[in-house]
Amino acid sequence: DARVTQTPRHKVTEMGQEVTMRCQPILGHNTVFWYRQTMMQGLELLAYFRNRAPLDDSGMPKDRFSAEMPDATLATLKIQPSEPRDSAVYFCASGLVGVYGYTFGSGTRLTVV
Amino acid sequence: SQKIEQNSEALNIQEGKTATLTCNYTNYSPAYLQWYRQDPGRGPVFLLLIRENEKEKRKERLKVTFDTTLKQSLFHITASQPADSATYLCALDGGNTPLVFGKGTRLSVIA
Repeated sequence: DARVTQTPRHKVTEMGQEVTMRCQPILGHNTVFWYRQTMMQGLELLAYFRNRAPLDDSGMPKDRFSAEMPDATLATLKIQPSEPRDSAVYFCASGLVGVYGYTFGSGTRLTVV
Repeated sequence: SQKIEQNSEALNIQEGKTATLTCNYTNYSPAYLQWYRQDPGRGPVFLLLIRENEKEKRKERLKVTFDTTLKQSLFHITASQPADSATYLCALDGGNTPLVFGKGTRLSVIA
């Protein structure tokens, strides 16, 4: 089965450090999402790409977060500088709109101390 | 602003019974509604997609209904089993707008 690959699976970092999370979407999928999940907030949308173009990043704190898709096989989410409130699980998902559901990666569990 | 509500945070049900989960939404006109299952420590897994012009969809023991007038979807698991215990998430897809999720309902099926 095709899968969405996220790296790293776990990351512990000190406050103020830069964090980069990577996602390899499934080949042929034209839509990529980044979500953050916490117990309190559930799944929050951070960024959304269609055919590699960013369509919506209104859920992302712009001063510290950035999301890019340098090519069809890689999506990145960067936090600089990181803060303890950024501690969460970050998920990437890819799919084809309206055809089927979306496939999620296993997530990156980020802890900022 | 858009709002998606799943009827309860947690639902306990006896094995063999039908579990019914509710998803209500406001200020949204989704083209598609989706249901996902999430187990602890894992990413959500897609279960079913229903289009705005469809009333009902089935897959094995799962059934989803979609009422765009009531702005509601019902998700049923018949003959529930302990292995069905998980969190179930409702998600709305506008087609040209991003996929947004409810907070989920944690289902426990008791043997």
